[in-house]
Amino acid sequence: LAKTTQPISMDSYEGQEVNITCSHNNIATNDYITWYQQFPSQGPRFIIQGYKTKVTNEVASLFIPADRKSSTLSLPRVSLSDTAVYYCLVGDNAGNMLTFGGGTRLMVKP
Amino acid sequence: KAGVTQTPRYLIKTRGQQVTLSCSPISGHRSVSWYQQTPGQGLQFLFEYFSETQRNKGNFPGRFSGRQFSNSRSEMNVSTLELGDSALYLCASSPIARLAGTDTQYFGPGTRLTVL
Repeated sequence: LAKTTQPISMDSYEGQEVNITCSHNNIATNDYITWYQQFPSQGPRFIIQGYKTKVTNEVASLFIPADRKSSTLSLPRVSLSDTAVYYCLVGDNAGNMLTFGGGTRLMVKP
Repeated sequence: KAGVTQTPRYLIKTRGQQVTLSCSPISGHRSVSWYQQTPGQGLQFLFEYFSETQRNKGNFPGRFSGRQFSNSRSEMNVSTLELGDSALYLCASSPIARLAGTDTQYFGPGTRLTVL
């Protein structure tokens, strides 16, 4: 079961690019990497998912190096509304349960 | 499409009671997972159902149980409630079985359970 390690918290300012890195040293060959965003009293919301190299959608980019032992979620030009907890999750296709990491609490300041 | 819905949104119970929480997945989704979220333990996996069968179970005592119906709706039950069961219980649905290796789950707003 792949474990993930993320920074507990990060601060940023509006308009800046934010990069949150997740370590997953024992990622398996068929595992995917998924990031979720969670606001207080709400369920996590899917942001982006990738397997290798780079994935980009309308809200974020996900960078995964060749060894796949880490991944970086990139949020371009953050706003106050991006203040939330971000979770990195590595998908285990062996049928085992999935475990969310501790999450990174991002605080965006004006 | 409507999102994942959970009922009730808030619940207050006393120790020793039992509780049933309900989850309606997104239409067409067949996989439903349940999570417990607390400030101290974070998000912890409870169990996953696919096509009415429990496929995976987390490390929770037998007081926690669940089931899935033929229309993919799911319920979870907690018997003999303890103070430590106070948490946000989240349900998530997925269009495919997680064994496929990907994990695009769609979460509901959760049920906030308070045990007094």
